[in-house]
Amino acid sequence: TQLLEQSPQFLSIQEGENLTVYCNSSSVFSSLQWYRQEPGEGPVLLVTVVTGGEVKKLKRLTFQFGDARKDSSLHITAAQPGDTGLYLCAGSNSGYALNFGKGTSLLVTP
Amino acid sequence: EAQVTQNPRYLITVTGKKLTVTCSQNMNHEYMSWYRQDPGLGLRQIYYSMNVEVTDKGDVPEGYKVSRKEKRNFPLILESPSPNQTSLYFCASSLWSGGNQPQHFGDGTRLSIL
Repeated sequence: TQLLEQSPQFLSIQEGENLTVYCNSSSVFSSLQWYRQEPGEGPVLLVTVVTGGEVKKLKRLTFQFGDARKDSSLHITAAQPGDTGLYLCAGSNSGYALNFGKGTSLLVTP
Repeated sequence: EAQVTQNPRYLITVTGKKLTVTCSQNMNHEYMSWYRQDPGLGLRQIYYSMNVEVTDKGDVPEGYKVSRKEKRNFPLILESPSPNQTSLYFCASSLWSGGNQPQHFGDGTRLSIL
C-alpha cells in the first residue's frame, strides 16, 4: 500500500481567505485524484491529474500535480462556507486499488 | 439518475448476528469496491471486483465477504460481526478498473456492532 500523507489534518478559516492543502508521498503515482466529502454523503470527485506538473482549475480551486508525480496540492482562493468539507486525495500506480489519504477537514466560517 | 445505492443507511446490531449491506449501481460499471472509513484512519479498501464473478481482497478484508453475481450488485457480508467492524462503509463503482477512473460513491452505511 502506497501511503499518501495529507496536511494539514484540520483547517478552520474565515470566508474570503485563501488556503492550500497538500498531499505527499514517497511513491510515484500514475494519476492522482481529489475528492470532497460532505457530512452524510460519499466522496465526490473534483479532479484527476495524470501528467507531472499539470495544473487544473475548477472555478476557485486550483490543483497541481508535482513534477515527479509524488505530490499534489489543492489551492482554494477566497474560500466560501460552501467549501466546507473533507478533502481527500487518492493515488494510483496503474493498479486496481486507489489509495486514499486520511483527508483534510476544512471549515469555512462566514 | 446515475447513482450508487446502499442499504441500509444505518444499522445497529449485535455481535455475531450475520448481516448484509447491499450495493447497487445503475451505470453499467465493471469495477466495484467496498471501503470503510474510520476516524484517523481514512478510507481503506475492503474488497473490490473487476467484473462479474471476479473479486479480490483489498487492504482490510478480514471478517468480510463479498459476491458479484450480477454486474450491478456487490453486497458486503459480515458473517459474524464484531465491535471492531463498527464503521462507516462506502460502496463505489467506476467504468472499469484503473486509478484514473472516477469513483462514484454511495452515501454510506453507518454500522454499529454492539
